Amino acid sequence: QKEVEQNSGPLSVPEGAIASLNCTYSDRVSQSFFWYRQYSGKSPELIMSIYSNGDKEDGRFTAQLNKASQYVSLLIRDSQPSDSATYLCAVNRGPNTGGFKTIFGAGTRLFVKA
Amino acid sequence: DADVTQTPRNRITKTGKRIMLECSQTKGHDRMYWYRQDPGLGLRLIYYSFDVKDINKGEISDGYSVSRQAQAKFSLSLESAIPNQTALYFCATSDRPGTGRTGNTIYFGEGSWLTVV
Repeated sequence: QKEVEQNSGPLSVPEGAIASLNCTYSDRVSQSFFWYRQYSGKSPELIMSIYSNGDKEDGRFTAQLNKASQYVSLLIRDSQPSDSATYLCAVNRGPNTGGFKTIFGAGTRLFVKA
Repeated sequence: DADVTQTPRNRITKTGKRIMLECSQTKGHDRMYWYRQDPGLGLRLIYYSFDVKDINKGEISDGYSVSRQAQAKFSLSLESAIPNQTALYFCATSDRPGTGRTGNTIYFGEGSWLTVV
């Protein structure tokens, strides 16, 4: 079992719809959770972080965390063609331990059709 | 200009050759990392360094070595390249603990495409 699992996709949604990206993780002691966006041929960039159970909203993005179910998701409202990218889920065991303890999922490819 | 700069951006090399990927950063971060990315496998950590005198192996360090020449510079070497080292390589940085939760944010360079033939 991979430590961080994501559906590879592609996930295809029409413009204006809600895109829902999901991620599960295996290590129950994980404390920090992240979503990175990676455009084709580019480097990943952080778009959301979440540390507590529940929802966290930032503009059109909402991250949801359920530690009991070991599940984290990203919702993108009013999806735009510019949201088409690969979304990487990342999990860190510590509260502040940086990249050496961050485990990345393989990513989900999202296509938003105009 | 990018805060984390990698050179070269693209390189094709032959099996058995030595190749170095260089990374420099202007973010002032102490922590630096080298990752490789393969389709379906995500990002995997090769080596990391917390300061100039600190070098640590990641999950896939075999066949690689690194050098931390200065706080801002961290290079990755493939001593004898092999075809299964063909991948996209990323240098990255993060802040130190005690900087709040920003210590978890990883900042990536633009990536270096390496092809070993």
